[in-house]
Amino acid sequence: GIQVEQSPPDLILQEGANSTLRCNFSDSVNNLQWFHQNPWGQLINLFYIPSGTKQNGRLSATTVATERYSLLYISSSQTTDSGVYFCAVVNQAGTALIFGKGTTLSVSS
Amino acid sequence: NAGVTQTPKFQVLKTGQSMTLQCAQDMNHEYMSWYRQDPGMGLRLIHYSVGAGITDQGEVPNGYNVSRSTTEDFPLRLLSAAPSQTSVYFCASSYLPGQIISGNTIYFGEGSWLTVV
Repeated sequence: GIQVEQSPPDLILQEGANSTLRCNFSDSVNNLQWFHQNPWGQLINLFYIPSGTKQNGRLSATTVATERYSLLYISSSQTTDSGVYFCAVVNQAGTALIFGKGTTLSVSS
Repeated sequence: NAGVTQTPKFQVLKTGQSMTLQCAQDMNHEYMSWYRQDPGMGLRLIHYSVGAGITDQGEVPNGYNVSRSTTEDFPLRLLSAAPSQTSVYFCASSYLPGQIISGNTIYFGEGSWLTVV
């Protein structure tokens, strides 16, 4: 099955810093999403991005499907950005989202 | 519109006890699923359903049972709880994953924290 790997596993930043999170996947996909899990456990969809680039405020994402990776950029980080960031792809049968293990981001003021 | 509702939010069980985690959605989604989240492991799929009367196993199905008698409900049953089932459980619903397109997303419940002692 599809393997999804995220890096780095942990990231510690000062408020205002920029960061890049990476997601590699082992097979071609036509559906990739980024999620943020806040410190209270709530999972929020950030981007649906099977290819190309999208931006939403201080966050942007780029997926290069031919090279099997996606990047999530966080600019001018804030303490509210803390939490775990997951990428997920749909399996080839179209029956499930396969998640990476996540990147835990801690932003301090 | 309540979205995806999970109950209970917290539960402590003794080894060998059985219980059911409830999940309901009011968005008429065909697809519903249960994930468990363990430290350092991400979210792993337990069971899923693509419609009423249809269920299938995910990555980690052992020790769990599901049924889908209605479109709205997808309960997860722990048959005989074990300490290895201590985890956070998430129910999710969406249109069929293979049909998720921009603007259609997957919706997660708020999670159920289960401890088995």
